[in-house]
Amino acid sequence: ILNVEQSPQSLHVQEGDSTNFTCSFPSSNFYALHWYRWETAKSPEALFVMTLNGDEKKKGRISATLNTKEGYSYLYIKGSQPEDSATYLCAFNNAGNMLTFGGGTRLMVKP
Amino acid sequence: DVKVTQSSRYLVKRTGEKVFLECVQDMDHENMFWYRQDPGLGLRLIYFSYDVKMKEKGDIPEGYSVSREKKERFSLILESASTNQTSMYLCASKPGTLDEAFFGQGTRLTVV
Repeated sequence: ILNVEQSPQSLHVQEGDSTNFTCSFPSSNFYALHWYRWETAKSPEALFVMTLNGDEKKKGRISATLNTKEGYSYLYIKGSQPEDSATYLCAFNNAGNMLTFGGGTRLMVKP
Repeated sequence: DVKVTQSSRYLVKRTGEKVFLECVQDMDHENMFWYRQDPGLGLRLIYFSYDVKMKEKGDIPEGYSVSREKKERFSLILESASTNQTSMYLCASKPGTLDEAFFGQGTRLTVV
């Protein structure tokens, strides 16, 4: 079983706080690292797909970095808003196209 | 817009029944996946298919089988449903190696 781990498991922050989560993954057979946001009663939606060591991607207040040599990725949210409350999932994409997810980080932003 | 459709949103089945969960995608994607989601465990891969009639076991294939006779449809089969298969099941499809996955709305299965 591939080991994709996310921390923390859950996080409570106040509106306006900035926060970050970690995803760690194996550094062998790496092809891409995905981040998804999963809101309650909806389907998971892609935030980023990252492939190169040192990649940084940004979408509004959310950004992500990738270190393939040491096997980790960070997701940052600047100035959290209540609508950012969701579960954030990372997924390891191997060369054979299989997607293996971590356990997720559940973020709750209090107004 | 890519659409991934799962046949049922909620399903209640009896122990020992054979259960079919259907997933259809309308964008000619090569890759399709079945996951189950349980509290605190994220999404766990049951089976993956990279082409018609081609499949690979994921992390938790025991008690499940799959069928992919046509590119657009990927079925998950519970041969003899058990209470420990009560879960949320999510189907996803993905066009190529560096592409994002698109998810269905999920099927919440309860086995009684």
